[in-house]
Amino acid sequence: EDKVVQSPLSLVVHEGDTVTLNCSYEVTNFRSLLWYKQEKKAPTFLFMLTSSGIEKKSGRLSSILDKKELFSILNITATQTGDSAVYLCAVERRTGTASKLTFGTGTRLQVTL
Amino acid sequence: GAGVSQSPSNKVTEKGKDVELRCDPISGHTALYWYRQSLGQGLEFLIYFQGNSAPDKSGLPSDRFSAERTGGSVSTLTIQRTQQEDSAVYLCASSPPGGGGWVLTFGAGSRLTVL
Repeated sequence: EDKVVQSPLSLVVHEGDTVTLNCSYEVTNFRSLLWYKQEKKAPTFLFMLTSSGIEKKSGRLSSILDKKELFSILNITATQTGDSAVYLCAVERRTGTASKLTFGTGTRLQVTL
Repeated sequence: GAGVSQSPSNKVTEKGKDVELRCDPISGHTALYWYRQSLGQGLEFLIYFQGNSAPDKSGLPSDRFSAERTGGSVSTLTIQRTQQEDSAVYLCASSPPGGGGWVLTFGAGSRLTVL
Protein backbone atom coordinates (compact mmCIF):
# COMPACT_ATOMS: atom_id res chain seq x y z
CA GLU A 1 0.00 0.00 0.00
CA ASP A 2 1.34 3.40 -0.97
CA LYS A 3 2.04 5.71 1.94
CA VAL A 4 2.78 9.43 2.24
CA VAL A 5 3.67 11.03 5.57
CA GLN A 6 3.97 14.78 5.98
CA SER A 7 5.45 16.74 8.84
CA PRO A 8 4.85 18.86 10.73
CA LEU A 9 1.07 18.57 10.77
CA SER A 10 0.77 22.26 11.44
CA LEU A 11 3.04 25.24 11.76
CA VAL A 12 2.65 28.87 12.82
CA VAL A 13 5.34 31.34 11.76
CA HIS A 14 5.79 35.07 11.53
CA GLU A 15 5.83 36.88 8.25
CA GLY A 16 9.36 36.89 6.85
CA ASP A 17 10.34 33.54 8.35
CA THR A 18 11.57 30.63 6.26
CA VAL A 19 9.80 27.29 6.58
CA THR A 20 10.61 23.75 5.51
CA LEU A 21 7.87 21.20 5.01
CA ASN A 22 8.67 17.52 4.87
CA CYS A 23 7.22 14.62 2.93
CA SER A 24 8.33 11.00 3.12
CA TYR A 25 6.85 8.24 1.04
CA GLU A 26 6.66 4.58 0.14
CA VAL A 27 5.34 3.68 -3.27
CA THR A 28 5.79 0.97 -5.89
CA ASN A 29 6.36 1.99 -9.52
CA PHE A 30 7.15 5.58 -8.56
CA ARG A 31 6.37 8.09 -11.27
CA SER A 32 6.55 11.46 -9.52
CA LEU A 33 6.07 13.40 -6.32
CA LEU A 34 3.84 16.43 -6.36
CA TRP A 35 3.20 19.38 -4.09
CA TYR A 36 -0.13 21.19 -3.98
CA LYS A 37 -1.38 24.26 -2.11
CA GLN A 38 -4.91 24.17 -0.74
CA GLU A 39 -6.26 27.48 0.50
CA LYS A 40 -10.00 27.23 0.73
CA LYS A 41 -11.26 24.54 -1.55
CA ALA A 42 -9.53 22.98 -4.55
CA PRO A 43 -5.82 22.14 -4.29
CA THR A 44 -3.67 23.89 -6.84
CA PHE A 45 -0.52 22.40 -8.33
CA LEU A 46 2.87 23.73 -7.22
CA PHE A 47 5.63 21.34 -8.27
CA MET A 48 6.25 17.96 -9.82
CA LEU A 49 9.51 16.18 -9.00
CA THR A 50 10.78 13.12 -10.77
CA SER A 51 14.55 13.19 -10.38
CA SER A 52 16.69 13.29 -7.27
CA GLY A 53 18.68 16.36 -6.39
CA ILE A 54 17.21 18.73 -8.95
CA GLU A 55 15.65 21.73 -7.26
CA LYS A 56 12.43 23.12 -8.65
CA LYS A 57 11.91 26.79 -7.92
CA SER A 58 9.03 29.20 -8.28
CA GLY A 59 9.51 32.59 -6.67
CA ARG A 60 9.94 32.11 -2.94
CA LEU A 61 9.02 28.43 -3.13
CA SER A 62 11.40 25.63 -3.91
CA SER A 63 11.37 21.87 -3.64
CA ILE A 64 13.75 18.97 -3.97
CA LEU A 65 13.44 15.19 -4.05
CA ASP A 66 15.67 12.46 -2.64
CA LYS A 67 14.69 9.16 -4.26
CA LYS A 68 17.25 7.20 -2.28
CA GLU A 69 15.96 8.30 1.12
CA LEU A 70 12.38 8.60 -0.20
CA PHE A 71 11.57 12.11 0.87
CA SER A 72 11.00 15.60 -0.42
CA ILE A 73 11.07 19.04 1.14
CA LEU A 74 9.21 22.19 0.25
CA ASN A 75 10.87 25.44 1.28
CA ILE A 76 9.18 28.80 1.50
CA THR A 77 11.42 31.80 2.13
CA ALA A 78 10.33 35.26 3.34
CA THR A 79 6.85 33.94 4.12
CA GLN A 80 3.83 36.16 3.63
CA THR A 81 0.32 35.92 5.04
CA GLY A 82 -0.85 34.79 1.61
CA ASP A 83 1.22 31.65 2.03
CA SER A 84 -1.16 30.50 4.76
CA ALA A 85 -2.68 27.27 3.45
CA VAL A 86 -2.54 23.51 3.68
CA TYR A 87 0.36 22.11 1.67
CA LEU A 88 -0.29 18.65 0.31
CA CYS A 89 2.29 16.17 -0.90
CA ALA A 90 1.28 13.34 -3.22
CA VAL A 91 3.09 10.47 -4.89
CA GLU A 92 2.11 9.25 -8.29
CA ARG A 93 2.34 5.58 -9.14
CA ARG A 94 2.19 4.32 -12.63
CA THR A 95 -0.37 1.57 -13.18
CA GLY A 96 -0.09 0.40 -16.78
CA THR A 97 -0.95 3.41 -18.91
CA ALA A 98 -2.65 5.16 -16.02
CA SER A 99 -1.38 6.73 -12.84
CA LYS A 100 -2.70 6.87 -9.31
CA LEU A 101 -2.05 9.56 -6.72
CA THR A 102 -1.80 9.03 -3.00
CA PHE A 103 -1.89 12.12 -0.81
CA GLY A 104 -0.49 12.85 2.61
CA THR A 105 -2.50 14.48 5.35
CA GLY A 106 -0.98 17.86 4.59
CA THR A 107 0.84 20.50 6.60
CA ARG A 108 -1.28 23.42 7.73
CA LEU A 109 0.82 26.60 7.59
CA GLN A 110 -0.30 29.80 9.23
CA VAL A 111 1.72 32.95 8.65
CA THR A 112 1.02 35.74 11.12
CA LEU A 113 1.93 39.41 11.01
CA GLY B 1 -16.49 23.13 -19.41
CA ALA B 2 -13.70 25.38 -18.32
CA GLY B 3 -13.14 23.56 -15.06
CA VAL B 4 -14.26 20.61 -12.99
CA SER B 5 -17.77 21.26 -11.77
CA GLN B 6 -19.21 19.62 -8.67
CA SER B 7 -22.70 19.72 -7.27
CA PRO B 8 -24.15 20.28 -4.82
CA SER B 9 -21.57 22.51 -3.19
CA ASN B 10 -23.17 21.87 0.18
CA LYS B 11 -25.45 19.07 1.30
CA VAL B 12 -26.95 18.56 4.73
CA THR B 13 -28.72 15.27 5.26
CA GLU B 14 -30.06 13.13 8.04
CA LYS B 15 -28.37 9.96 9.12
CA GLY B 16 -29.66 7.00 7.16
CA LYS B 17 -30.57 8.92 4.01
CA ASP B 18 -28.91 8.33 0.64
CA VAL B 19 -27.00 11.12 -1.13
CA GLU B 20 -25.68 11.60 -4.64
CA LEU B 21 -22.77 13.86 -5.47
CA ARG B 22 -22.08 14.84 -9.04
CA CYS B 23 -18.85 15.62 -10.86
CA ASP B 24 -18.62 17.07 -14.36
CA PRO B 25 -14.97 16.83 -15.46
CA ILE B 26 -13.16 18.95 -18.01
CA SER B 27 -14.18 17.95 -21.51
CA GLY B 28 -11.72 15.44 -22.95
CA HIS B 29 -10.26 14.43 -19.61
CA THR B 30 -10.26 10.65 -19.47
CA ALA B 31 -9.14 10.19 -15.87
CA LEU B 32 -11.47 11.06 -13.01
CA TYR B 33 -10.76 10.74 -9.30
CA TRP B 34 -12.89 11.02 -6.20
CA TYR B 35 -11.25 11.96 -2.91
CA ARG B 36 -12.64 12.59 0.54
CA GLN B 37 -11.24 15.18 2.92
CA SER B 38 -12.38 15.14 6.51
CA LEU B 39 -11.89 18.20 8.70
CA GLY B 40 -8.18 18.88 9.15
CA GLN B 41 -7.18 15.80 7.19
CA GLY B 42 -5.50 15.14 3.86
CA LEU B 43 -7.11 13.72 0.78
CA GLU B 44 -8.31 10.13 1.08
CA PHE B 45 -8.49 8.31 -2.23
CA LEU B 46 -11.89 6.78 -2.95
CA ILE B 47 -12.16 5.71 -6.59
CA TYR B 48 -10.50 6.29 -9.92
CA PHE B 49 -11.86 6.01 -13.47
CA GLN B 50 -9.55 5.86 -16.49
CA GLY B 51 -11.16 5.79 -19.90
CA ASN B 52 -12.96 2.53 -20.56
CA SER B 53 -10.93 0.54 -18.06
CA ALA B 54 -12.47 -0.99 -14.98
CA PRO B 55 -12.44 1.59 -12.18
CA ASP B 56 -10.04 1.30 -9.25
CA LYS B 57 -12.43 1.09 -6.31
CA SER B 58 -9.80 0.19 -3.75
CA GLY B 59 -10.38 3.32 -1.68
CA LEU B 60 -14.11 3.02 -1.13
CA PRO B 61 -14.51 2.69 2.65
CA SER B 62 -17.58 0.45 2.66
CA ASP B 63 -20.21 -1.06 0.40
CA ARG B 64 -22.42 1.93 1.16
CA PHE B 65 -20.23 3.89 -1.25
CA SER B 66 -20.45 3.48 -5.01
CA ALA B 67 -19.64 5.55 -8.05
CA GLU B 68 -20.49 5.52 -11.71
CA ARG B 69 -19.15 7.32 -14.70
CA THR B 70 -21.52 7.53 -17.61
CA GLY B 71 -20.30 7.92 -21.17
CA GLY B 72 -16.78 8.56 -19.97
CA SER B 73 -17.81 11.96 -18.68
CA VAL B 74 -20.04 12.82 -15.73
CA SER B 75 -19.56 10.83 -12.54
CA THR B 76 -21.89 10.32 -9.62
CA LEU B 77 -20.75 9.25 -6.16
CA THR B 78 -23.55 7.66 -4.16
CA ILE B 79 -23.50 7.14 -0.42
CA GLN B 80 -26.28 4.96 0.92
CA ARG B 81 -27.56 5.02 4.49
CA THR B 82 -25.30 7.91 5.41
CA GLN B 83 -23.53 7.94 8.76
CA GLN B 84 -22.15 10.89 10.70
CA GLU B 85 -18.59 9.79 9.91
CA ASP B 86 -19.36 10.31 6.23
CA SER B 87 -19.35 14.07 6.87
CA ALA B 88 -16.51 15.49 4.80
CA VAL B 89 -15.69 17.42 1.66
CA TYR B 90 -15.81 15.18 -1.38
CA LEU B 91 -13.40 16.37 -4.07
CA CYS B 92 -13.43 15.32 -7.69
CA ALA B 93 -10.47 15.77 -10.03
CA SER B 94 -9.78 15.00 -13.66
CA SER B 95 -6.78 14.82 -15.95
CA PRO B 96 -6.28 14.42 -19.70
CA PRO B 97 -5.12 11.26 -21.50
CA GLY B 98 -1.54 10.45 -20.57
CA GLY B 99 -1.58 13.21 -18.01
CA GLY B 100 -0.60 12.89 -14.40
CA GLY B 101 -0.65 14.89 -11.23
CA TRP B 102 0.77 17.98 -12.84
CA VAL B 103 -2.33 18.42 -14.96
CA LEU B 104 -4.79 17.22 -12.37
CA THR B 105 -7.58 19.75 -11.98
CA PHE B 106 -9.74 19.68 -8.87
CA GLY B 107 -13.31 20.78 -8.46
CA ALA B 108 -14.36 22.99 -5.58
CA GLY B 109 -15.80 20.02 -3.70
CA SER B 110 -19.11 19.01 -2.22
CA ARG B 111 -19.36 19.51 1.52
CA LEU B 112 -21.50 16.80 3.06
CA THR B 113 -22.85 17.14 6.59
CA VAL B 114 -24.70 14.20 8.09
CA LEU B 115 -26.75 15.12 11.14
